Amino acid sequence: IAGITQAPTSQILAAGRRMTLRCTQDMRHNAMYWYRQDLGLGLRLIHYSNTAGTTGKGEVPDGYSVSRANTDDFPLTLASAVPSQTSVYFCASSGSGTGELFFGEGSRLTVL
Amino acid sequence: GQNIDQPTEMTATEGAIVQINCTYQTSGFNGLFWYQQHAGEAPTFLSYNVLDGLEEKGRFSSFLSRSKGYSYLLLKELQMKDSASYLCAVMDSNYQLIWGAGTKLIIKP
Repeated sequence: IAGITQAPTSQILAAGRRMTLRCTQDMRHNAMYWYRQDLGLGLRLIHYSNTAGTTGKGEVPDGYSVSRANTDDFPLTLASAVPSQTSVYFCASSGSGTGELFFGEGSRLTVL
Repeated sequence: GQNIDQPTEMTATEGAIVQINCTYQTSGFNGLFWYQQHAGEAPTFLSYNVLDGLEEKGRFSSFLSRSKGYSYLLLKELQMKDSASYLCAVMDSNYQLIWGAGTKLIIKP
């Protein structure tokens, strides 16, 4: 089934630990995004990639890093997790055209 | 700064009509999107407006007025499954999406 897959679905993590959220899409979309969603706030862009080999910072990039070695994969890494990074993380992709986003099912991360 | 405003929560009755408003102030405009998000799930695309006017898609319609910085999503013949959050997002001059906090729609029988 074509789409975008995130892993893990849910994770509890001790503060200070390193964590990588995985995201894979099979739609051959050029653009990919990582958002975080917190109660009462809109989706906030962490990092994005317009095409393989390039990445850019979004609205809230501090404490996060990404890589885009190929078209399909766009992992998000928290180098040293802090409690304020407790959130639901969504990976998304878009092809050409109107810019419609296709979202993964989300990764719920709790940092204690 | 850039800002998207939409009501936090609305309640409507099954079978009725509801209008969810969205006002925006952004650096440039390259289209407005509405997404639906059921609790615990990912957002899914509903509509896209780039020109003024009404776009109709089944029970859902979306309206845009660029001069007023205003859009609404109209849901007709409400069903219980329409209970969800509705997210308004505007694409700015840099082709980045600016998101509203979402409107939680509660449908009562």
